[in-house]
Amino acid sequence: EVEVVESGGGLIQPGGSLRLSCGVSGFIGNNNFITWVRQAPGKGLEWLSVIYGDNTTNYADSVEGRFTISRDNSKNTVYLQMNSLRVDDTAVYYCARGDLWFGPFNYWGQGTLVIVSS
Amino acid sequence: QSVLTQPPSVSRAPGQRVTIACTGSGSNIGADYDVHWYQQVPGAAPKLLIYGNNIRPSGVPDRFSGSRSGTSASLDITGLQAEDEADYYCQSYDYNLSGWVFGGGTKLTVL
Repeated sequence: EVEVVESGGGLIQPGGSLRLSCGVSGFIGNNNFITWVRQAPGKGLEWLSVIYGDNTTNYADSVEGRFTISRDNSKNTVYLQMNSLRVDDTAVYYCARGDLWFGPFNYWGQGTLVIVSS
Repeated sequence: QSVLTQPPSVSRAPGQRVTIACTGSGSNIGADYDVHWYQQVPGAAPKLLIYGNNIRPSGVPDRFSGSRSGTSASLDITGLQAEDEADYYCQSYDYNLSGWVFGGGTKLTVL
């Protein structure tokens, strides 16, 4: 069974930075991808970023240039570096793994809450 | 404003059937990218419910089914049970955005 665990959320002031971590059990190979999705309070799901097995990355327009996704294969961990945080970045951030390019998000973590507030 | 359009809410009585529609465009569903559906109960992470338009992951009851046609897709739930009360999201890939898009979510109430 694949396990996905996020960590690193918390309270941060506007303009600050935060790094989220996503630990994924099981092999992360060329056919997998790890992605970040967020959900603002009372709102729907918003896709943010993806990193593929060949280290190709993509970002939603809303976070392009502010967020950076990266991975450490030795630790089976993916990171989301979030800079220039804004109040509207407040959300639960989920990490998920997919096993098919352009495919579904098969395994999800429990989420980590990020609150951007002064 | 979500790229994929879903009704905000639906309600049905137990035992009834409900269909939740998801409308996209030529750069996502209409471009032949698969549609996936997620179920999210309050306070929990989303759970993959249907993938590849109409495939149920192991453990998902056959009361849940999906379909896709043109630029739209739908999720069908028969024999509604109280435990089906949740938010349902459709998802597809969009080539213009080089990423995934979600519907705004549909809140299902089982009266």
